[in-house]
Amino acid sequence: LAKTTQPISMDSYEGQEVNITCSHNNIATNDYITWYQQFPSQGPRFIIQGYKTKVTNEVASLFIPADRKSSTLSLPRVSLSDTAVYYCLVGGTASKLTFGTGTRLQVTL
Amino acid sequence: DVKVTQSSRYLVKRTGEKVFLECVQDMDHENMFWYRQDPGLGLRLIYFSYDVKMKEKGDIPEGYSVSREKKERFSLILESASTNQTSMYLCASSFFRPNQPQHFGDGTRLSIL
Repeated sequence: LAKTTQPISMDSYEGQEVNITCSHNNIATNDYITWYQQFPSQGPRFIIQGYKTKVTNEVASLFIPADRKSSTLSLPRVSLSDTAVYYCLVGGTASKLTFGTGTRLQVTL
Repeated sequence: DVKVTQSSRYLVKRTGEKVFLECVQDMDHENMFWYRQDPGLGLRLIYFSYDVKMKEKGDIPEGYSVSREKKERFSLILESASTNQTSMYLCASSFFRPNQPQHFGDGTRLSIL
């Protein structure tokens, strides 16, 4: 199973770009990389998913290098409401899903 | 919008009781999942189901069982609750195709006294 490693916490000021990196050295050929966001007292919410290179949506960008052993979630111009825990998920089928321990992002003024 | 509904937000039970946690989804998803979430450990998969009456063990199935009699409903059962099962329990669902995002409920905070 592909395990993931993320920083435990990060701090940022409002308006800055935040990059959270996830390491997944044992990622399998069929595995996609998915990021979720979780606020207190809520379930995780899907943010973005990718397989290789770069993916961008209205919320974030996901950068995946050619060897796919890591990925970086990029949040442009964060606000206070982006304070949450961010999870990196690697897997291709339900039986191989592995959540990281999450990165707690704290955004301040 | 996909809605995954967990029957209780908070639940308090006693050691040895049989506990049922219920989850219902309204998007006709084939896959359903039960996780538990503990501080410092992230989310851990207990069981999942990819079809009615089908189930597979996740990473930590010991002490739990599940039931999926209807496509929209997935139940987690603690046969004899113990204090180490005090946790936040999260249900999720997704389409069967690989790499489909999971949609989560808001969780049940279960305390076993």
